[in-house]
Amino acid sequence: RKEVEQDPGPFNVPEGATVAFNCTYSNSASQSFFWYRQDCRKEPKLLMSVYSSGNEDGRFTAQLNRASQYISLLIRDSKLSDSATYLCVGGSYSSASKIIFGSGTRLSIRP
Amino acid sequence: NAGVTQTPKFRILKIGQSMTLQCTQDMNHNYMYWYRQDPGMGLKLIYYSVGAGITDKGEVPNGYNVSRSTTEDFPLRLELAAPSQTSVYFCATQGNTGELFFGEGSRLTVL
Repeated sequence: RKEVEQDPGPFNVPEGATVAFNCTYSNSASQSFFWYRQDCRKEPKLLMSVYSSGNEDGRFTAQLNRASQYISLLIRDSKLSDSATYLCVGGSYSSASKIIFGSGTRLSIRP
Repeated sequence: NAGVTQTPKFRILKIGQSMTLQCTQDMNHNYMYWYRQDPGMGLKLIYYSVGAGITDKGEVPNGYNVSRSTTEDFPLRLELAAPSQTSVYFCATQGNTGELFFGEGSRLTVL
């Protein structure tokens, strides 16, 4: 089993729709989680950190479920500019080598 | 602040040639990473460093070497280029809260 698993998609949704991705992780020692956004042929950029209590940033909401070992990303009122690949990342503060990226979920927003 | 700077952005190598991918940062971060990303795939960790003078292997270190003589610089060396090393290479640093900051990537083709 991969340490961090994501549905690769692609998710193809109309503009204005709500879309959600899940990401599961196998290492229960993982302490920190993030969602990154990667545009085609560009470097990944931090979208948001994921906190145990859940957190929201505008149209984006991230949740962490430690009991079931998954994190989620919800995008509301999706825009054409949200089209990208979304990478979930799990890591440990105590071990630099334990930052593990999922393979990414491709999202395409259609007009 | 330039953040994380990678050079070159593009390079074509012949099989057996050697080259160094440069990475420099002005964020004063101790942790630095080299990843490779093959088309349509996630990021794989090649090498990482937790500070000047300290480096360690990641998931896919074969065919690569690194050094970390200063906090700022973390070059990645390919000694005998092989077609399997055709990829996009990303250098990253890690901030205090765990997030990664990436360079723009170096696209390498080995023919």
